[in-house]
Order: sequence, then C-alpha cells, then structure tokens
Amino acid sequence: GAVVSQHPSWVICKSGTSVKIECRSLDFQATTMFWYRQFPKQSLMLMATSNEGSKATYEQGVEKDKFLINHASLTLSTLTVTSAHPEDSSFYICSARDVSGLLPKGSTDTQYFGPGTRLTVL
Amino acid sequence: QKEVEQNSGPLSVPEGAIASLNCTYSDRGSQSFFWYRQYSGKSPELIMSIYSNGDKEDGRFTAQLNKASQYVSLLIRDSQPSDSATYLCAVNSYDKVIFGPGTSLSVIP
Repeated sequence: GAVVSQHPSWVICKSGTSVKIECRSLDFQATTMFWYRQFPKQSLMLMATSNEGSKATYEQGVEKDKFLINHASLTLSTLTVTSAHPEDSSFYICSARDVSGLLPKGSTDTQYFGPGTRLTVL
Repeated sequence: QKEVEQNSGPLSVPEGAIASLNCTYSDRGSQSFFWYRQYSGKSPELIMSIYSNGDKEDGRFTAQLNKASQYVSLLIRDSQPSDSATYLCAVNSYDKVIFGPGTSLSVIP
C-alpha cells in the first residue's frame, strides 16, 4: 500500500521549454498532494499544496505562473515548469496524503512520497 | 515561524550499535510526528509515525515522543551499513507537515 508514482523519473530539456511532471497515487485516494524541490545536499523545500478540484496554494517565493499545478482527480496531480531555465534544475518530489488514514504506519496527515523527478535544464 | 530542528550530523556509529537521532519542534499544537529515511539521490521513505507521548517500536526502530519538552527521537538498534542515510523528522503544524533539515547517519562496518 501507499504507492506514489512520478513520471518521468528524469528529464533533460533546453532552456525556455516547458516540462510536465505527473504524480499519481496508485492504491489510495489523495485529496491533497504536495510538491517539493530539493537541491543537492539541501533539505526538502515545499513549493505548493495541490488540492483536488481547486487552486493550488503556493509557498512564499514560489512563482505560481512559472510552476503550474493541476490536480484534476483524486489520484493525479501535475506540475508544469514553464519556460524552464538552468536554475530550475533540481530534484522535484511529490507526496500524497492518504485521506482514509487506513494505510499501515500512517494517518490522515501522513505523506507518502513519489520517487522524484530529476530535471536538468541545459 | 514554525520550525523543526535536527542536528545535521554527520552522525557516525559502528555497525551493531544504537544510533540516536533527535528532533525538536516549536509548535506546541502539533499532534503528529513522523520519521522519514532518505538515501542519497532518492525520495524520502516513511519509517514511523507517532502521535502519543512515550515509545513506539517497529522492528529495530523506536520512536520516542515527549510533547511537554517538544522533543521527538528515533533510535535504531543493531545499526547496519544499509541504515546509512539522511533521516528527516517531520511534524504537523496546522494543515502542513514541516520537515526538519535532516540528520546524516553513517554506519561504519
């Protein structure tokens, strides 16, 4: 239980292009998903909270027009990095919160992480 | 500012020893506490969650919570080289889970 997938696992793109990253909860429903960014040897940085059927909530300093988030269903959230630049190169990780609280080890506020997407912008 | 603090390490222990990882938090209203393990280049993996004061054991892992002291810890018994990773403490605060900076653990064979 508690499997979260991300696609793609890595992507290399040219500066100025857009990249879409998908996050799926495979065996549970997630009304809330989270998007994090992690630079080498640094801690997780929460970028935004994605709520199914409503607008995402962005953390201070994160450009909502650059990082577009869509959470169209209880199992899928997408992050689109628009007009990517080399400084956007990072490890992007999503997590999903199990609303049922029935998964092992967890409760309704436990986050389960996807495997991450490594983005390299040339 | 709601914060979660951890010693960054690195913490080195010999194989077979007990590793002790500590975490303090600032939000007295927090009710849920989590420990995640993150290997280099990988995403975090949930080890344990704890909600009540006292100890909670799961295999070689024991989480300890003291809400009065705003302190949560993780003990790893019989440490193995495969336990070498960064351990993230996470605490719920309002509708968010706040992650600490992580403690790097190295288990020496």
